[in-house]
Amino acid sequence: EAQLEESGGGLVQPGGSLRLSCAASGFTFSYYSMYWVRLAPGKGLEWISYIKSDSSFIYYADSVKGRFTISRDNAKNSLYLQMNSLRDEDTAVYYCARAESRGYFDPWGQGTLVTVSS
Amino acid sequence: EIVMTQSPATLSVSPGERATLSCRASQSVGSNLAWYQQKLGQAPRLLIYDASSRATGIPARFSGSGSGTDFTLTISSLQSEDFAVYYCQQYNDWPPFTFGQGTKLDIK
Repeated sequence: EAQLEESGGGLVQPGGSLRLSCAASGFTFSYYSMYWVRLAPGKGLEWISYIKSDSSFIYYADSVKGRFTISRDNAKNSLYLQMNSLRDEDTAVYYCARAESRGYFDPWGQGTLVTVSS
Repeated sequence: EIVMTQSPATLSVSPGERATLSCRASQSVGSNLAWYQQKLGQAPRLLIYDASSRATGIPARFSGSGSGTDFTLTISSLQSEDFAVYYCQQYNDWPPFTFGQGTKLDIK
């Protein structure tokens, strides 16, 4: 069974940085593209980044472009999200998800909470 | 960017009754639409992909329909475990991948 587990969330001050990790198991990680998605308090799901299986294509939502960096290590079955210049509005639960071939998201990890506050 | 609009924002239905949730795209997405269920404090779960295909392990009471710009998720006979927030998502034209704002399904 494919599983994803995020880690690295926490409390950070505005302007600070945080690195999230997503550990994959139960499937051949190197075959799949991956996503990061977030759920902010009182809001809906927001896609924030995509990385192709071999890292050859990377995309970001406008809301995080230039501040967040997605990466992966296929040898370690791991996905990462480096978040810099964090803002209050980045407060959210961050999920990693596997990309199915057509472009939907399955499965999802349980999420890790990032709180940006002074 | 394709904007996804879900209605209603909140739907109150009694257990055993049928629930019908709507999702509209700002331009055609063909059949490239998915539905997800999210319970409080849990990860989202894929219910439907390609507008009408049930994901693995999803009960037959969940069904999806529609194409182009108008889509529907129907839950034929609500069970207690079905009360959650439901999101639609298009994957026809990306980036960005876009979600609707969600429909909260409440117990009446």
